Amino acid sequence: SYELTQPLSVSVALGRTARIPCGGNSIATRNVHWYQQKPGQAPVLVIYRDNNRPSGIPERFSGSNSGNTATLTISRAQAGDEADYYCQVWDSNTGVFGGGTRLTV
Amino acid sequence: EVHLVESGGGLVQPGRSLRLSCTASGFFFDSYAMHWVRQAPGKGLEWVSGISWDSSNTDYADSVKGRFTISRDNAENSLYLRMNSLRAEDTALYYCVKDMSEGGFGGWFDPWGQGTLVTVSS
Repeated sequence: SYELTQPLSVSVALGRTARIPCGGNSIATRNVHWYQQKPGQAPVLVIYRDNNRPSGIPERFSGSNSGNTATLTISRAQAGDEADYYCQVWDSNTGVFGGGTRLTV
Repeated sequence: EVHLVESGGGLVQPGRSLRLSCTASGFFFDSYAMHWVRQAPGKGLEWVSGISWDSSNTDYADSVKGRFTISRDNAENSLYLRMNSLRAEDTALYYCVKDMSEGGFGGWFDPWGQGTLVTVSS
């Protein structure tokens, strides 16, 4: 079965750029989606199909996907960006999530 | 506005059954695949099961295959998850999610409901 690997935690200084990687075998051949989950809340979609932002998501959020790593980038990080972030792909009609990364600002 | 409201969770003994429901509004329910995703306390997200718009295609995570059954009633804008032979490791918050790929599987999940908590314990 396909696996996605994320670091347990990433730290970023206020106003700097955070990069959260999501590793998977030839992940560039798949569409990667990203979700943000704040404590006590349901997840929210922040990036779909590698690098597309849903309406209402700030331009500070962007994504990329190349080789064996997809990356969620958060520019000018704010305190409100502190959350868990999950990447997700499909593998033969089965949904696969990464283990999640806790972002600390 | 799209809304997904889950219900049916609760405390259940190991080996017993439970049926979760999800009521959808604000979109053409019969045009989209739907899924259940769960999150054990303090853990990450796990995709559980999905169903195509017309119920012709269903799939399950290995961890629940043979025990859980997903279904839908398009006339009632409702999604269901029948959970049999429940185990302690099924304890989780269960989310109902809409697949943004029209019809079949393979899209992104948006939006998510608030979840319904299932606790399996004696």
